Amino acid sequence: GENVEQHPSTLSVQEGDSAVIKCTYSDSASNYFPWYKQELGKRPQLIIDIRSNVGEKKDQRIAVTLNKTAKHFSLHITETQPEDSAVYFCAASIRSGAGSYQLTFGKGTKLSVIP
Amino acid sequence: NAGVTQTPKFRVLKTGQSMTLLCAQDMNHEYMYWYRQDPGMGLRLIHYSVGEGTTAKGEVPDGYNVSRLKKQNFLLGLESAAPSQTSVYFCASSYSYVLDSKHQETQYFGPGTRLLVL
Repeated sequence: GENVEQHPSTLSVQEGDSAVIKCTYSDSASNYFPWYKQELGKRPQLIIDIRSNVGEKKDQRIAVTLNKTAKHFSLHITETQPEDSAVYFCAASIRSGAGSYQLTFGKGTKLSVIP
Repeated sequence: NAGVTQTPKFRVLKTGQSMTLLCAQDMNHEYMYWYRQDPGMGLRLIHYSVGEGTTAKGEVPDGYNVSRLKKQNFLLGLESAAPSQTSVYFCASSYSYVLDSKHQETQYFGPGTRLLVL
């Protein structure tokens, strides 16, 4: 099955600096890569995703890049703010024959933005 | 429109007891999922369903059973709870659609159920 490695496990940055979280995956058939943000005690929420036919995607201060050859993808957050502090999860998945995506998650990165 | 809801929010069980966790969604989604989240482990898929009356095993199905008798509900059962099943359980639902000739799908998560097995 798919295996997703996520680094680093913890990350502290000064407010206004950039943060980068990296993930690698094992199954070359994976074609969908979402990123979720989870605040303490809350549910995971999708913040951005990318599909295998795209190399980069941006949404305001958040961007994701994908290198299919190397089987890794990264989340970039620019101009970090204290409200960006949370645990971030990457995931990789293959679309099953029945139509749904089965997600395999990384173990998470705890991001702390220091004011 | 409540989205995805889970019942109960918190439960304490003794080893060997049974219980059922309920997930409900009002978005008419075809696909539903049960995950467990443990510290340092991320989310792991327990079981999932691609439609009413269908279920399938995920990554960590042992000790759990599921049922999807109605499209809007997905039940997770623990027949004989063990301390190793202490965890936070998240349900999610999704639907597939086509945008720009590409299949799209976003999983929406419920608020979670915190389960403690003593």
